[in-house]
Amino acid sequence: QSALTQPASVSGSPGQSITIACTGTSSDVGGYNHVSWFQQHPGQAPILMIYDVSNRPSGISNRFSGSKSGNTASLTISGLQAEDEADYYCSSYTPITPTYVFGTGTKVTVL
Amino acid sequence: EVQLVQSGPEVKKPGESLKISCQGSGFSFTNYWIGWVSQMPGKGLEWMGIIYAGDSTTKYNPSFQGQVTISVDRSVSTAYLQWSSLRASDTAMFYCAIARHGNYYWDYWGQGTLVTVSS
Repeated sequence: QSALTQPASVSGSPGQSITIACTGTSSDVGGYNHVSWFQQHPGQAPILMIYDVSNRPSGISNRFSGSKSGNTASLTISGLQAEDEADYYCSSYTPITPTYVFGTGTKVTVL
Repeated sequence: EVQLVQSGPEVKKPGESLKISCQGSGFSFTNYWIGWVSQMPGKGLEWMGIIYAGDSTTKYNPSFQGQVTISVDRSVSTAYLQWSSLRASDTAMFYCAIARHGNYYWDYWGQGTLVTVSS
């Protein structure tokens, strides 16, 4: 089971919107609505930002939203803020071992 | 309050064994899956394997199968990740995370345990 594909980096100016894509296959992203997104600041543990494609956990800003089309899931950050500068990883459930797979990770830079 | 507290950093030599832990509190431990995630220095996240605390059902990433052992001790609400013979390439940060049985997302994470393997 290969890692899901994400762009290595995405950047935007404060206030802008950016979108990060996460491409998998019909065995993971495309086959199930169990895609999550995690934010990771340097030296810190990942934080769940989006689950089941488009749901936000309690306490997560509504500037973060998720969607999916076919084998590609997307995370959109609107009203980009300096604190959003971090690494972002998608993850999907798959019935194939190892059951969950991460994306390759995207570094978001706020210009 | 849900908490996952991991054991402290370790410095080991190649060939040595190691067992790190992840203790949960504030939730019903046996109703959850515990996952272990590896992050090599400067690299991305990788699922190593998951274990259901209710009955110890374990699923390993083939990349880690045979290299590590994942276990739980329900009496102390703790999950473990162990190596019988460490290699320099095992140097990484290791995180535990939990997902409620029936859910497919990992909503709480431990603070991480840094393992350094060097001669």
